[in-house]
Amino acid sequence: GAGVSQTPSNKVTEKGKYVELRCDPISGHTALYWYRQSLGQGPEFLIYFQGTGAADDSGLPNDRFFAVRPEGSVSTLKIQRTERGDSAVYLCASSLTGGQTQYFGPGTRLLVL
Amino acid sequence: SQQGEEDPQALSIQEGENATMNCSYKTSINNLQWYRQNSGRGLVHLILIRSNEREKHSGRLRVTLDTSKKSSSLLITASRAADTASYFCATDSGTALIFGKGTTLSVSS
Repeated sequence: GAGVSQTPSNKVTEKGKYVELRCDPISGHTALYWYRQSLGQGPEFLIYFQGTGAADDSGLPNDRFFAVRPEGSVSTLKIQRTERGDSAVYLCASSLTGGQTQYFGPGTRLLVL
Repeated sequence: SQQGEEDPQALSIQEGENATMNCSYKTSINNLQWYRQNSGRGLVHLILIRSNEREKHSGRLRVTLDTSKKSSSLLITASRAADTASYFCATDSGTALIFGKGTTLSVSS
C-alpha cells in the first residue's frame, strides 16, 4: 500500500477483555514503531521493531502489553485484561530503517468501558 | 515520558500572518522532526533537521535548531486556514521519537 494502515480504526471493549491492534507498514520498511496518544498529549513511545525483533520495548507500560512482528512486516499490538486507563489512540509508524523519517498510520482509537 | 515542550500551547492568528512555534528539549539528539496532526489522528511529517544543521526550509516552513540551547522553532509563513492543526516537535535519539505536548494552531479567514 501507499502508506501505513491500521485496523480497526475504532475499537470499543469492556474492562478486562483482550484486544489486538494491527499495523501494516509501508512495504520495504524494516523499522516499525508503536506509540500511544492520550487526549491533549503528544504520542508516547511504546515499542520499536527492527525486522522481526523488538529492538526497544522500554515504553511498554506493563506486562499486559505485548507486540509481535513475526515476519518482519505486519505487527500486532496485544493488550490483555484491558483497563479504562488504556483508552487512547494507538499509532503505528514505519521507517526505511531505524533513525530515518517515521511515517504514521491513521491510528486505532481504543475505548475501554 | 515526554522530552519536548512546545510553546505556546495554543496560537490563534489570521490568514496571511506568520506563525512561530518553539520547542525545547532536554537530552542530546540525532535529529529533530516536526509533525502536524489534524483531528487527533495520523501525524504528517513536515520536516527533519539534523543535529549538525542550523536552519532548513521547505515551502512555507522554516525550521531552526540551536543545539547549545536545546531548542528549535517552526515558522509557517503566509498562513492559511488549512494550516489549522496541532504541531509537534519530536526528538530522535536513534530509536524512538520523543514528542512534546504540541501547539494547537488556529488560523481564521
